[in-house]
Amino acid sequence: GQQLNQSPQSMFIQEGEDVSMNCTSSSIFNTWLWYKQDPGEGPVLLIALYKAGELTSNGRLTAQFGITRKDSFLNISASIPSDVGIYFCAGRDTGNQFYFGTGTSLTVIP
Amino acid sequence: DAGITQSPRHKVTETGTPVTLRCHQTENHRYMYWYRQDPGHGLRLIHYSYGVKDTDKGEVSDGYSVSRSKTEDFLLTLESATSSQTSVYFCAITPGGDNYGYTFGSGTRLTVV
Repeated sequence: GQQLNQSPQSMFIQEGEDVSMNCTSSSIFNTWLWYKQDPGEGPVLLIALYKAGELTSNGRLTAQFGITRKDSFLNISASIPSDVGIYFCAGRDTGNQFYFGTGTSLTVIP
Repeated sequence: DAGITQSPRHKVTETGTPVTLRCHQTENHRYMYWYRQDPGHGLRLIHYSYGVKDTDKGEVSDGYSVSRSKTEDFLLTLESATSSQTSVYFCAITPGGDNYGYTFGSGTRLTVV
């Protein structure tokens, strides 16, 4: 099955810095989702995107649905220690199948 | 809170033994899913259900079976566990409809020794 390319694999940043990560696919997607997973828990939905070019915010998080429909971006502004975790992208293709990225591990150094 | 619970949270079992994981939801959602999560692979769909007794295979269904005799319960069975099935298993539902993404349970960490 298709696998989404998510980058970077890991990030180590200072508290207060901004974070950017992205996800790309080889085919067109109709939906992009961004999740965060804390240790020992299931992923929790952060932002959902449904339209090419769409830009959606959730607090300090902003995500965009790429205009080619083959990529998506997540930005976190002014990071804080509780932002630590693994961030996953997920996308739904034109056949209604969902696929997940392999995750970006974020470490925030106080 | 979509009310989805998984049991057990942790299990260690021996190769060749049968194992059943349970997913329970409290909100009558039609679709339920089982995923496994492994380093470097992300989340991969094992099986899903679209109603009582209605199930279908996902990307990595070999070695797994599922059953759904009631709306609220979706069981995942490993008939004869192998070490390659050591993983974290997540159940999920789609409370807002399929286009709105999944709500996941807290996971079951299964170790096959």
